Amino acid sequence: DTAVSQTPKYLVTQMGNDKSIKCEQNLGHDTMYWYKQDSKKFLKIMFSYNNKELIINETVPNRFSPKSPDKAHLNLHINSLELGDSAVYFCASSQDRDTEQYFGPGTRLTVT
Amino acid sequence: QKEVEQNSGPLSVPEGAIASLNCTYSDRGSQSFFWYRQYSGKSPELIMFIYSNGDKEDGRFTAQLNKASQYVSLLIRDSQPSDSATYLCAVNPPNAGKSTFGDGTTLTVKP
Repeated sequence: DTAVSQTPKYLVTQMGNDKSIKCEQNLGHDTMYWYKQDSKKFLKIMFSYNNKELIINETVPNRFSPKSPDKAHLNLHINSLELGDSAVYFCASSQDRDTEQYFGPGTRLTVT
Repeated sequence: QKEVEQNSGPLSVPEGAIASLNCTYSDRGSQSFFWYRQYSGKSPELIMFIYSNGDKEDGRFTAQLNKASQYVSLLIRDSQPSDSATYLCAVNPPNAGKSTFGDGTTLTVKP
């Protein structure tokens, strides 16, 4: 049983397109996150949701819009994709805001 | 000063040696500390968490926390080639509701 799953695993698209990444966790956790890991492998938090409520938005361009339809799902929609958006995007979840996190397998986004 | 700093790598140790990974943090009120391992092309996975001063052991791994000095370390005893990965230190600042990650230290264990 996969604890945190993401789709798609790979995403190749052209500049200006709009794309979405989906995340689901079956751990019963209250908190979910989106991270971006760039080519230098730095892991930076983008958003965090707790019980479907947005609690962290870390200076991310408005082109990125997260949505949490329920506690188990957190999606990320990206408008007008740019070359600099190319990275690996990880979804993660935790029991609450201060406990250990469990990461999904990642989505490698390549913008050409 | 970065919120979470890890010793710059890469770190290379021979098989069977002890690997020592260090991390310092800036917010003295931080209460939760985590070590994650990330293999190349994979996602981070939790190795250990520690909340109290002192040592916490789990198999070949020992996490050490010293809140007065604001550092947390990870020792890997009897290092194996399969331990070769990037190790990420994560710290939860008080009331932040998130973990702040260090930039990672890449460890290579040579047979």
